[in-house]
Amino acid sequence: DGGITQSPKYLFRKEGQNVTLSCEQNLNHDAMYWYRQDPGQGLRLIYYSQIVNDFQKGDIAEGYSVSREKKESFPLTVTSAQKNPTAFYLCASTKETWGEQYFGPGTRLTVT
Amino acid sequence: RKEVEQDPGPFNVPEGATVAFNCTYSNSASQSFFWYRQDCRKEPKLLMSVYSSGNEDGRFTAQLNRASQYISLLIRDSKLSDSATYLCVVNSRDGNNRLAFGKGNQVVVIP
Repeated sequence: DGGITQSPKYLFRKEGQNVTLSCEQNLNHDAMYWYRQDPGQGLRLIYYSQIVNDFQKGDIAEGYSVSREKKESFPLTVTSAQKNPTAFYLCASTKETWGEQYFGPGTRLTVT
Repeated sequence: RKEVEQDPGPFNVPEGATVAFNCTYSNSASQSFFWYRQDCRKEPKLLMSVYSSGNEDGRFTAQLNRASQYISLLIRDSKLSDSATYLCVVNSRDGNNRLAFGKGNQVVVIP
């Protein structure tokens, strides 16, 4: 079945540690996105990539890094520089410009 | 002005009733409009795209008003399973391949 997978579903880390969230898609989509959602808030864009080996900062990129070495994969690293990393992280992909985006199940990160 | 604005609610709806809500957007050049459904602690899922002529999918009807820059969603004969947050989504004003998400309209269907 085609889709987007994110792992793990829940992740717990100590403050000061970097952590990498996985996102994989087999939809053959060119564009991939990372969002963050806080309770009662809308989705905020962290980074996005429209093609392999290229990516752009979104609205809240500080404290995060990404890579896009393969079309299928777009991992997100939450660094120790991110002041408030505890959140629900969602990965999405889309086939065409301004088209609908399809989401993975998300990773709920808790940093204490 | 925010790119996409929605009244968060909650909208408490008796089972079987009709509920409707609007979403306003700021970019007059927007070309893509969507409604997504998000259940508690889950990922958003596409409910329907919104076309200029409006569109209907079963009990759900979406409309686009370009002159007033809003889109609407109407749910007829509400079911308990319709309880969710409905996100309004519009392509971003910065011209890149990005979407702007509203905070959502929370719908609670009451037995």
